Amino acid sequence: ETGVTQTPRHLVMGMTNKKSLKCEQHLGHNAMYWYKQSAKKPLELMFVYNFKEQTENNSVPSRFSPECPNSSHLFLHLHTLQPEDSALYLCASSQGLADFSGANVLTFGAGSRLTVL
Amino acid sequence: AQTVTQSQPEMSVQEAETVTLSCTYDTSESDYYLFWYKQPPSRQMILVIRQEAYKQQNATENRFSVNFQKAAKSFSLKISDSQLGDAAMYFCAYRARTGTASKLTFGTGTRLQVTL
Repeated sequence: ETGVTQTPRHLVMGMTNKKSLKCEQHLGHNAMYWYKQSAKKPLELMFVYNFKEQTENNSVPSRFSPECPNSSHLFLHLHTLQPEDSALYLCASSQGLADFSGANVLTFGAGSRLTVL
Repeated sequence: AQTVTQSQPEMSVQEAETVTLSCTYDTSESDYYLFWYKQPPSRQMILVIRQEAYKQQNATENRFSVNFQKAAKSFSLKISDSQLGDAAMYFCAYRARTGTASKLTFGTGTRLQVTL
């Protein structure tokens, strides 16, 4: 399988549940990202990992906990979420972070649609 | 801070016709990249076309072309000979040349409907 694969495609959870989103890339990329996509809002970058190390956390609440065990896998652990956290969560990867040529384009997965009841 | 504005929440085009999606941006940088991404119902964001700000020539990818007006900070996407498969959300995005690959600023998107 090639590209960026996200599971599950859909997730419904209560506010007290604990669940995880998984992202896997088969592109040999070294950087991975979590984005949040809400209706009528621009994509919001949440976390960035480069060579398994977190390089960015854009003031994301601690109820979202990322994990990157290796350059091919990225998880987003969810705990005590709020209804306003319902959104499409997109994972992306790129060859690296530093890019002065504009060629280091992000490859996205199909997202996990999260509904918090 | 950079901002990207897509003023058309929804657009509609007939099959085989041409449509133009608008995008404006605000930046104090002189060198940057602009992108158009397509998100079909399958939800996977796909890069459609990319433009380097230092290049005066407008980028073209088959039926997709851009009209890049640097002074006006405008970056519109033209889709020629529209096809049913072009129906999707289209996002305009900006990144400064000196920024990392993560520093993409996206617009709110334009939903394109293609009718028979």
